[in-house]
Amino acid sequence: QSALTQPRSVSGSPGQSVTISCTGTSSDVGKYKYVSWYQQHPGKAPKLLIYEVSERPSGVPDHFSGSKSDNTASLTISGLQADDEADYYCCAYAGRYSWLFGGGTRLTVL
Amino acid sequence: QMQLVESGGGVVQPGRSLRLSCAASGFTLRNYAMHWVRQAPGKGLEWVAVVSYDGGSKYYAASVEGRFTISRDNSKNTLSLQMSSLRAEDTAVYYCAKDKAVASDGYFDLWGQGTLVTVSS
Repeated sequence: QSALTQPRSVSGSPGQSVTISCTGTSSDVGKYKYVSWYQQHPGKAPKLLIYEVSERPSGVPDHFSGSKSDNTASLTISGLQADDEADYYCCAYAGRYSWLFGGGTRLTVL
Repeated sequence: QMQLVESGGGVVQPGRSLRLSCAASGFTLRNYAMHWVRQAPGKGLEWVAVVSYDGGSKYYAASVEGRFTISRDNSKNTLSLQMSSLRAEDTAVYYCAKDKAVASDGYFDLWGQGTLVTVSS
């Protein structure tokens, strides 16, 4: 099982929107609803942003949204803010009680 | 508030063993599946292992199968990871993470601060 594929970096200006893709296969992202997204600031533990493809835990701002089409999941951050600058990871269930993470995407707010 | 605190990391020689612990507080541990996730220095996240809410089921990533053992003691609100035959590639920050549900959905909604394991001679 290989890691899910994410762009290494994306960037945007404050107020803009950015989308981070997460590409897997028909055995993981494409097969199950168990896709989640995490935000990690430098030196900190990851934080759950999105679960079950598009659900937000309580306390997560609604400018974070998730979606999925076929074997690719996406995280969209609208109205970029300085504090959104961080690393973002997708995660998907890969069957047989195993989970795969993406390689991570560094978001730079210009 | 809900909290996870890992301990037990350190420097260990290749081939040796190490045991990590994770203390849970602010919630009822027995109501949730629990995971270990690791992150090599400067690298991405890697799922390592999961244990069911009652400790009856355990699953591992292929990279650690047969070398690592996950366990839990719900009476003491603790999670453990016994690591043996350690390799240089096991060097990472190890996080314990709470599953969002009693079942192992794999949504990690609470993380500890991590404990660094360095495998080096």
